Amino acid sequence: QQQVKQSPQSLIVQKGGISIINCAYENTAFDYFPWYQQFPGKGPALLIAIRPDVSEKKEGRFTISFNKSAKQFSLHIMDSQPGDSATYFCAALIAALVFGKGTRLSVIA
Amino acid sequence: NAGVTQTPKFRILKIGQSMTLQCTQDMNHNYMYWYRQDPGMGLKLIYYSVGAGITDKGEVPNGYNVSRSTTEDFPLRLELAAPSQTSVYFCASYMEGAKNYGYTFGSGTRLTVV
Repeated sequence: QQQVKQSPQSLIVQKGGISIINCAYENTAFDYFPWYQQFPGKGPALLIAIRPDVSEKKEGRFTISFNKSAKQFSLHIMDSQPGDSATYFCAALIAALVFGKGTRLSVIA
Repeated sequence: NAGVTQTPKFRILKIGQSMTLQCTQDMNHNYMYWYRQDPGMGLKLIYYSVGAGITDKGEVPNGYNVSRSTTEDFPLRLELAAPSQTSVYFCASYMEGAKNYGYTFGSGTRLTVV
């Protein structure tokens, strides 16, 4: 049972472009929505997170947009750089984090 | 300050063997978690603990056991290894009430069962 659906599975973006990753959830009891970044051979690392009472949160080039009524949230990476190439996971918290399946982002020059 | 330390980093097991994946954190976090990561499947929760002496099952607990005798350590036990347990295992910790709710993950243990 997948409680958090993430798309796309993979994404190729030109350097300087905008990367957009989307997630959807069903359980309205989730009360915290983080995004994690994972490089090969490493554990996931917290990138940015949002609570459901906020519609947008921005930290540097990374922005979360949150639509509570649609039960959707997305990650936008502005001015994408080759160093952003990694796997990104959305997640939602209820007792413990429930993760999406991940998006492999490749930023090409 | 080492964060979350997992050992071993790699291991090959034969079917039916047993082993313990070690996880230690030095941040005095009360919550600890074990996830497994399979290609294209994200991370799935195996077990978690909200403090010493307290553990609970996650989404995929079958074939695994845990214990939490101290705040620092949260070992994961595989009793009869099966090929389906081939995966990368991540341990994570979290301090209840932390401002950003961020989990700190270890670097993982890559397990192959043959």
